Formats: sequence, structure tokens, C-alpha cells
Amino acid sequence: TQLLEQSPQFLSIQEGENLTVYCNSSSVFSSLQWYRQEPGEGPVLLVTVVTGGEVKKLKRLTFQFGDARKDSSLHITAAQPGDTGLYLCAGAGSGGSNYKLTFGKGTLLTVNP
Amino acid sequence: DAGVIQSPRHEVTEMGQEVTLRCKPISGHNSLFWYRQTMMRGLELLIYFNNNVPIDDSGMPEDRFSAKMPNASFSTLKIQPSEPRDSAVYFCASSLAVLGRNEQFFGPGTRLTVL
Repeated sequence: TQLLEQSPQFLSIQEGENLTVYCNSSSVFSSLQWYRQEPGEGPVLLVTVVTGGEVKKLKRLTFQFGDARKDSSLHITAAQPGDTGLYLCAGAGSGGSNYKLTFGKGTLLTVNP
Repeated sequence: DAGVIQSPRHEVTEMGQEVTLRCKPISGHNSLFWYRQTMMRGLELLIYFNNNVPIDDSGMPEDRFSAKMPNASFSTLKIQPSEPRDSAVYFCASSLAVLGRNEQFFGPGTRLTVL
């Protein structure tokens, strides 16, 4: 069974601060996705990383996929209240199981004005 | 474009009653997923359809749960009889599985409460 551990589980910071959240596993994934979920809504895809060592930037968000494709991080620069939400990472299986996403339990981020 | 549509958004029912959740995937998507989200277990895949055919139902908890996809634009998840431990948010997601990519688009979810 593939498991994804996300840390920290909860994070409360002030507007303007930087933060990093982590997604770790002992399993190798063919790709890894990050989603943000707001209360009462479904998760929304932010990014997909595929290649080990890959770094993708989305405005103030920087996503990195570990070299061994087992872990990932999300760094937010100068956080804003609009960044508040549950951040979920999800790893995809390989080959015929690539449809199957294993989700972590998420990091609940609160950015206070 | 309309995203994934789910109904109802909220459902409150009593133990033993039948519950039917509905989903309309994004037009043109060939894969559909049903998930359940709880605080304790996070997001769990219940069943996966590809081209309207159930491919993986290993996540369906027990025989009380069933899912159908009669055509490319509609799917249902049924719980009969419902139990309090089924209380959760149920999400439907769809994707276009092309060249190994699996980027899923989620609906707003149905919050189910079984009393």
C-alpha cells in the first residue's frame, strides 16, 4: 500500500511570511500532483510534476519533485490570506495503475491578515 | 465550460435509508472517479470508471455500496442501507486519460449525514 505523509498537518502564519510544506513517501510515483481545497469545495489541481528533480513555479508557489520521485515540497513566498486552504499532494501509480492517485491527508494552511 | 456537477450538495438521511448520489462529468472526459473524504482517513478512492466501464472497485467498502455509469455523461453512487459511519463528503472527479496523464477535476462534493 502506497502512503503519502504530509507535514505539517496544520500551519497558521501571518500575511507576508514564507512557508514550506512537505509530502513524503517510501514509494516511487510516476507523477505527483498538488491540489488546494477550500471549505465546501472539491480539490483544485495546482500542478503536476513528473520528472525527478523537477521544479515548477506558479506565481508565488514553487513545487519540487524529489530526485527519487518519492517526495515533494511546496514553498509559498509572501503568503496572502487568499492562499488559505487545505493543500493535498497525490501520487500516481505507474504503468496500468497510473489512474490511481494516493492522497495525503493534507496541510491545512491559515494565512492571517 | 461547466465543471463536474454533483447533486445533491447536502443529504441528511436516517440509518437504513437508501441514498443516491449523482455526478455529471466534464464533457469529453473518459475517466470518472468516486472518492470519499473524512477527517480520519482523508480522500479515498471508491471506484474508477474508464469509458463507462468499472475498472477498479477495490475501494468500495462493502456490498452496501454500488456505482453505475450508464453513459458518458452520468454516474450514480448508491448506498443501501445507509449507516451512520457512511457520513462523509463524497466527491466525483473526471479526467481525460491521455498519454499517461491523470489530472483529475473534482466536483463540489455531496456532504452526506446519516443519523
